[in-house]
Amino acid sequence: KAGVTQTPRYLIKTRGQQVTLSCSPISGHRSVSWYQQTPGQGLQFLFEYFSETQRNKGNFPGRFSGRQFSNSRSEMNVSTLELGDSALYLCASSLNSGQTYEQYFGPGTRLTVT
Amino acid sequence: DQQVKQNSPSLSVQEGRISILNCDYTNSMFDYFLWYKKYPAEGPTFLISISSIKDKNEDGRFTVFLNKSAKHLSLHIVPSQPGDSAVYFCAAMWGNTPLVFGKGTRLSVIA
Repeated sequence: KAGVTQTPRYLIKTRGQQVTLSCSPISGHRSVSWYQQTPGQGLQFLFEYFSETQRNKGNFPGRFSGRQFSNSRSEMNVSTLELGDSALYLCASSLNSGQTYEQYFGPGTRLTVT
Repeated sequence: DQQVKQNSPSLSVQEGRISILNCDYTNSMFDYFLWYKKYPAEGPTFLISISSIKDKNEDGRFTVFLNKSAKHLSLHIVPSQPGDSAVYFCAAMWGNTPLVFGKGTRLSVIA
């Protein structure tokens, strides 16, 4: 069974631009969560999607948004990029919503904002 | 306000000895605790977990201890191996809430 895949793996953007990251969950998994990892803050929860609906949202500004498609693939978008958005963005999938204890993580997308 | 704290950013241990990684939490609602291991260029992988109704859970070389009164948990790795060198994250949750992670502890096991 293939694991969680994230594309692209690395990305360099400049301030003010926007970016879209993609996540394909494990086959059969319907819940996708997104996390931001920075050296200073560790892993912070962004949002969770289940059956194309946002179920939970972390404490991030509205510039961070996401969506989920009918095949459970998910995208997250960050608009008007700031230097502080440089981070590793991790996606995790689980069978159902609320099963955060059975999440499987992808390798992440390393975003650098210059 | 950091609800899950890993106060040691790094830890070095000799191969064959015990590694003890510590984690403190402030939210008394947390009822499930997990440890994840992360290698560079990979996502975190689940290692071991413990429910708040237990005080110990063991899986091979890995044991997690929970002290609810002190709001403290620890991960023991015995014996430590060079392949255990990674960043270890403590995480907590309650109900259907999202996982709350600590900032991680980098473990280096020296051969």
